[in-house]
Amino acid sequence: GAGVSQSPSNKVTEKGKDVELRCDPISGHTALYWYRQRLGQGLEFLIYFQGNSAPDKSGLPSDRFSAERTGESVSTLTIQRTQQEDSAVYLCASSLQERNYGYTFGSGTRLTVV
Amino acid sequence: RKEVEQDPGPFNVPEGATVAFNCTYSNSASQSFFWYRQDCRKEPKLLMSVYSSGNEDGRFTAQLNRASQYISLLIRDSKLSDSATYLCAPSGGSYIPTFGRGTSLIVHP
Repeated sequence: GAGVSQSPSNKVTEKGKDVELRCDPISGHTALYWYRQRLGQGLEFLIYFQGNSAPDKSGLPSDRFSAERTGESVSTLTIQRTQQEDSAVYLCASSLQERNYGYTFGSGTRLTVV
Repeated sequence: RKEVEQDPGPFNVPEGATVAFNCTYSNSASQSFFWYRQDCRKEPKLLMSVYSSGNEDGRFTAQLNRASQYISLLIRDSKLSDSATYLCAPSGGSYIPTFGRGTSLIVHP
C-alpha cells in the first residue's frame, strides 16, 4: 500500500483480556517501530525491528507486552491481560534503511480498556 | 535532563506572524533530526528533515546547532492551518527516534 496501515482503528476491550494490534508497513521499509501515546502525552517508544536483526525491546513497559514481525512485513503487537492504564493510541511507523528520509506513521489503533 | 525537551506552549499568534520553536536534545550521538506536525487525534506527519546546519521549505526553516544540541523551527507568515502540535525527533546512534512532548501552536484570525 501507499502508507502504513494499522488495524483495528479502534478497539474496546475488557480488563484482563488479550488484544492483538496489527501494522502493515510501507513496502520496502526495513525498519518498523511501535509507539504508545496516552491522551495529552508524548510518544513513548515500545519496540523497534530492523530487517532480520534481533528487535530492540527496551521500551516495552512490562512482560504483558510482546511484538513480532515476519521478515520485513507485517508486525503484531500483543498485550496480554490488559489493564486500564494500557488505554492509549498505539502508533506504528516504518522507515527506509536510509533514515534521513524520516519515519512514516500509521493512523494508529485507539485502545480503550474498560 | 530529559532526552528531548520542548516548550509545550501554547504559542498563540495572529495570522501572518512569524513564530519559532526550539528543541533541545541530550544525546550527542544523534545523527538525524526531524520536525513532525501532529493534528488533534491524528498521527504525526513528517514536516521537515534537518540536514547539516539547517534547511528551508517554503515558509518553514529548520536549523540545527550541534554544539549547543538544539534544533529550531521557524514558521513565517503563519496560516490558520498551521495550528497543530510540533514534535521534534532527534534520532540517536541506534536510529530510534525519540520524540519530544511537542509544542502547541494556535494561529488565530
